[in-house]
Amino acid sequence: DAGVIQSPRHEVTEMGQEVTLRCKPISGHNSLFWYRQTMMRGLELLIYFNNNVPIDDSGMPEDRFSAKMPNASFSTLKIQPSEPRDSAVYFCASSLSPVVAEAFFGQGTRLTVV
Amino acid sequence: GIQVEQSPPDLILQEGANSTLRCNFSDSVNNLQWFHQNPWGQLINLFYIPSGTKQNGRLSATTVATERYSLLYISSSQTTDSGVYFCAVEENSGGYQKVTFGTGTKLQVIP
Repeated sequence: DAGVIQSPRHEVTEMGQEVTLRCKPISGHNSLFWYRQTMMRGLELLIYFNNNVPIDDSGMPEDRFSAKMPNASFSTLKIQPSEPRDSAVYFCASSLSPVVAEAFFGQGTRLTVV
Repeated sequence: GIQVEQSPPDLILQEGANSTLRCNFSDSVNNLQWFHQNPWGQLINLFYIPSGTKQNGRLSATTVATERYSLLYISSSQTTDSGVYFCAVEENSGGYQKVTFGTGTKLQVIP
């Protein structure tokens, strides 16, 4: 398996534009997580899905952020409209089970909003 | 929520030296993982270690869940060990996992 695949690897966009980050989890994994990493706040869990259903989105910073998982092999994290403070590295991770399972991370998307 | 503290926050080692990184957590956890974030930003799983001791080459980890800490040992350090080491703990919240990361230990191994 190729592991968790995220795209794009880098994204530079202007403030106010819509940004869509994509993630393909490891085949067979039924939990998917979106994290954000910043210098100020470290690694934060934004949202996670189990069997394509959002379970906990309490980490989503505000309504400008939305995440979907239309099927078991694909998820998106959308920011609309984007702001400079959204600049961060966004990681997607997947695991086999929602409880007590090893999580595997993608390589991340480095987002810069100017 | 659960607090995860890592120490030291920064560490500089001479190549070949050994080190111990610590992760303390404030409540019972179901799982603990150690990750290495390399200078290119990639997060790499090191250990999945809810309890006990595991070894993988020059690295080993021990988690004492009853005392709420975990240790990561790096022996004979190499420059490629440089980066940030995170521990992440997992607690069961309503039948689902809730993951909290520590703030990391930034390691620099110098030749």
